[in-house]
Amino acid sequence: GAVVSQHPSRVICKSGTSVKIECRSLDFQATTMFWYRQFPKQSLMLMATSNEGSKATYEQGVEKDKFLINHASLTLSTLTVTSAHPEDSSFYICSASAELAGGIDTQYFGPGTRLTVL
Amino acid sequence: SQQGEEDPQALSIQEGENATMNCSYKTSINNLQWYRQNSGRGLVHLILIRSNEREKHSGRLRVTLDTSKKSSSLLITASRAADTASYFCATAGGSEKLVFGKGTKLTVNP
Repeated sequence: GAVVSQHPSRVICKSGTSVKIECRSLDFQATTMFWYRQFPKQSLMLMATSNEGSKATYEQGVEKDKFLINHASLTLSTLTVTSAHPEDSSFYICSASAELAGGIDTQYFGPGTRLTVL
Repeated sequence: SQQGEEDPQALSIQEGENATMNCSYKTSINNLQWYRQNSGRGLVHLILIRSNEREKHSGRLRVTLDTSKKSSSLLITASRAADTASYFCATAGGSEKLVFGKGTKLTVNP
């Protein structure tokens, strides 16, 4: 259980275009999903917290107009990188919050999306 | 912001040896979690230890937590080549957010 998928797994686009990444919880409902960014050989940096039916909460320094997040249902959140530039090239990972036995929430991660902007 | 600091940054051992990775953090926590990431892939949840626990086991994994020192360790016993991956600690405070450490890249040589 607790499987999270991401689509696409890899995308190459031209500078100036927009790219949409989907994150789905396949076998559970997630009121909260998270979007992370990971540069090569570095750790995950939280970009935003996505709550179903409400606006996302962005971390300091993350441009909300550039990284549009929509959490339209309990199983789907999307991240749109608008007007992408080469510096946006990165590995984007989503996670969905689920409750473990014992009542503690933890996050289950998708396989990631490798974005390359030419 | 980054809270956890893992050490070592990289660890290379032979199959069958034990691997120990450490994580330090700065603020108070509700729990600490360890994740594994194979190259270019997503993260896999390994184990969670609550702030009131000192040690936890899961198969070949042993995690300790010392809240007075704000540190945790992950021990993998009898390592296998398939354990080669990056390992991250992540702390959870009062919210659902996780703050990840920088990770330890483990290489297990056959």
